[in-house]
Amino acid sequence: DVKVTQSSRYLVKRTGEKVFLECVQDMDHENMFWYRQDPGLGLRLIYFSYDVKMKEKGDIPEGYSVSREKKERFSLILESASTNQTSMYLCASSPGPTYNEQFFGPGTRLTVL
Amino acid sequence: DAKTTQPTSMDCAEGRAANLPCNHSTISGNEYVYWYRQIHSQGPQYIIHGLKNNETNEMASLIITEDRKSSTLILPHATLRDTAVYYCIVRVFETSGSRLTFGEGTQLTVNP
Repeated sequence: DVKVTQSSRYLVKRTGEKVFLECVQDMDHENMFWYRQDPGLGLRLIYFSYDVKMKEKGDIPEGYSVSREKKERFSLILESASTNQTSMYLCASSPGPTYNEQFFGPGTRLTVL
Repeated sequence: DAKTTQPTSMDCAEGRAANLPCNHSTISGNEYVYWYRQIHSQGPQYIIHGLKNNETNEMASLIITEDRKSSTLILPHATLRDTAVYYCIVRVFETSGSRLTFGEGTQLTVNP
């Protein structure tokens, strides 16, 4: 089975802190994605990557950056966390360019105080 | 991407078929219909997708109308573990970086 893991299930940070959310997939997938999920807004795409060191902005990239130094790992970085970034963050991966099913991790519930 | 409309919530008795409708009246010819579900406190899980023919896999069946303006996801024998939010998504089959736009979905509650 494909496994997508995220570094933490729950995280509490303070305003202004730098936050790293890590995602690892074990199936050699080329595409990786970061979403946030908020009540009433559904899932929104933050960033995605279709290759190592490649990244593309999603629908709401402001306030976030990403890093993909290795194929299996995709990191989401909040340079200076703010309270409006309190959310559920979901990482996903998909096998390759002609494959559209995405496999999701369990999510990280981030609270910024 | 075509917009989808789903009921906010549905109930189903355990062991019965659950039929979840989705309207996508503005769908274009190269857009696929995807279904995902999200069980509470977990990430979304892919169920099935299709273009114009009906599809079936081990989890569910997908029935797409001939004009492709609506579809129905069928869980043939719903169990309590099928209680989840079900998302219908319409998306072009892209060759890279495929983006899925999740709406609010349908909360399916399977009752004993």
